[in-house]
Amino acid sequence: IAGITQAPTSQILAAGRRMTLRCTQDMRHNAMYWYRQDLGLGLRLIHYSNTAGTTGKGEVPDGYSVSRANTDDFPLTLASAVPSQTSVYFCASSDLDTQYFGPGTRLTVL
Amino acid sequence: QKEVEQDPGPLSVPEGAIVSLNCTYSNSAFQYFMWYRQYSRKGPELLMYTYSSGNKEDGRFTAQVDKSSKYISLFIRDSQPSDSATYLCAISYSSASKIIFGSGTRLSIRP
Repeated sequence: IAGITQAPTSQILAAGRRMTLRCTQDMRHNAMYWYRQDLGLGLRLIHYSNTAGTTGKGEVPDGYSVSRANTDDFPLTLASAVPSQTSVYFCASSDLDTQYFGPGTRLTVL
Repeated sequence: QKEVEQDPGPLSVPEGAIVSLNCTYSNSAFQYFMWYRQYSRKGPELLMYTYSSGNKEDGRFTAQVDKSSKYISLFIRDSQPSDSATYLCAISYSSASKIIFGSGTRLSIRP
């Protein structure tokens, strides 16, 4: 059982380019989340999905979009990347009590 | 005011010491309190959670919540080099609600 996988592990991206970060879970959790982690700011919620077919905005949603076509996959898209989106991105899923995190994607936007 | 405040450290202690990590929060409506551990270049993992004031023990780890002071703590007894990580406190209105994370305290245990 892999839990949560994220791809790519790291990426360097030119500003203005479009990028999709992939997230897949095999735990059949209904709820999934995308966070970004920046030094001194902790984990900040970008978007979430309580169940397949629904999504919601978190604390810092601007410049990002998500979709939830099925239970397992929750991709995060940067339509036109900007340097301030340089960060480590974590996908998570949850059962009732616990959020489980993926290994993260390190994204650098130049 | 941030909803949860955490001293970022870094905190460096010798092996075997008792470690105390702390957070404060602003809203008394928060009912669910968690500690996550994050090793370098890894995702956070849940260490402990509690709903109530008081202490909860799990091996060398004790989580403490004081709702009257809006203060949460994590104590690590007999600290080991393998405990070196960033520790994030987290709060939520309930187990099914969105989680608000502290900024994390980086802990280093010296052999």
